[in-house]
Amino acid sequence: DSGVTQTPKHLITATGQRVTLRCSPRSGDLSVYWYQQSLDQGLQFLIQYYNGEERAKGNILERFSAQQFPDLHSELNLSSLELGDSALYFCASSPDRGGRGYTFGSGTRLTVV
Amino acid sequence: QQQVKQSPQSLIVQKGGISIINCAYENTAFDYFPWYQQFPGKGPALLIAIRPDVSEKKEGRFTISFNKSAKQFSLHIMDSQPGDSATYFCAATSPGNTGKLIFGQGTTLQVKP
Repeated sequence: DSGVTQTPKHLITATGQRVTLRCSPRSGDLSVYWYQQSLDQGLQFLIQYYNGEERAKGNILERFSAQQFPDLHSELNLSSLELGDSALYFCASSPDRGGRGYTFGSGTRLTVV
Repeated sequence: QQQVKQSPQSLIVQKGGISIINCAYENTAFDYFPWYQQFPGKGPALLIAIRPDVSEKKEGRFTISFNKSAKQFSLHIMDSQPGDSATYFCAATSPGNTGKLIFGQGTTLQVKP
């Protein structure tokens, strides 16, 4: 157990739907990162939050949004889902803003049918 | 300039052999180079990391060699074991003091008994 908890582990949904992925960071970590892993794109950075504030943004689609709550857990919202959004979504956390000492969760496998 | 190129895509090594995975980058502002190991169904786990002011770092059977002038770094796994069979990712931090990591495409290593 890495200490980073992601739920749900698996999600199957239809095109056009909206889903929410949840991440609880490791105790004491203030930064949360979201990554998408697909076979053709590898691990792609989506977004980083640090202590409740958006810190960095990657190639995150406008249909996707995220937030970090006061208790430091984070949610990634994916809407108007398309077949191409099927992927593994990983959350990671680190103690600071700089990303040293990342710890990844086990991921949420999203399948859009 | 933000890319990290990793090779080979896949690698088969006999037990006891040396596994070598290579990465190259363009952006000289990168200042932290971690390697991650990922087993099926799990999130990536930090294996070893190096900063560009160091040419080599060794932890157990794992060694990173870093060539700053060539903008290349590599992972060497000595005495490779079947339990090392996994996907390995190199990465680099994005400049700007965020935690964003730019990952290579990954190398699937199979160690044959």
